[in-house]
Amino acid sequence: DTAVSQTPKYLVTQMGNDKSIKCEQNLGHDTMYWYKQDSKKFLKIMFSYNNKELIINETVPNRFSPKSPDKAHLNLHINSLELGDSAVYFCASSHWAYEQYFGPGTRLTVT
Amino acid sequence: AQTVTQSQPEMSVQEAETVTLSCTYDTSESDYYLFWYKQPPSRQMILVIRQEAYKQQNATENRFSVNFQKAAKSFSLKISDSQLGDAAMYFCAYRSPRGETSGSRLTFGEGTQLTVNP
Repeated sequence: DTAVSQTPKYLVTQMGNDKSIKCEQNLGHDTMYWYKQDSKKFLKIMFSYNNKELIINETVPNRFSPKSPDKAHLNLHINSLELGDSAVYFCASSHWAYEQYFGPGTRLTVT
Repeated sequence: AQTVTQSQPEMSVQEAETVTLSCTYDTSESDYYLFWYKQPPSRQMILVIRQEAYKQQNATENRFSVNFQKAAKSFSLKISDSQLGDAAMYFCAYRSPRGETSGSRLTFGEGTQLTVNP
């Protein structure tokens, strides 16, 4: 009965590789998000989708590409991984104006 | 752009005592939402409490309550009867109202690491 799930929870990869993180929510929400938490624990929005439409696209490298196949899924694909991409990535969902519920996070380590 | 500031990087409290975590924010909007999230070592982000700016009454959830001072742009979290399980990083967050071009993003503060001593 997990509300917001992410896979994988841990990801270790080498520089230059391409990787994806998947997110699924079973709350019936219409809005999903990706946040990045850096090594100092600072959280910042990356992307947001509402009903499969991109509504927030922060200043992130275009190596990061979100994809929303349907309202319940929002995946994050990262090309040509760099050391600085190491962080915890959180998926979240909400019913537009209401509180956001977060997934367990994916710790990405680029070596 | 909105900013959120948590001026206390670390706080500690004795078990069963009360502690207050501070948060200030900057906005030109009159209607917005404020939240406190808790992140324990498991790293799961857990919603603690929410406050709508148009409500004058301070929100309360069991041992957690807020002191919302709209004019001062202050939103502090009070934890009463602190328990060992309250130990976590606490984040204050701001969200614009529905329909704003900024969308429904959360703008977070830097976080306050709370230690609960037995």
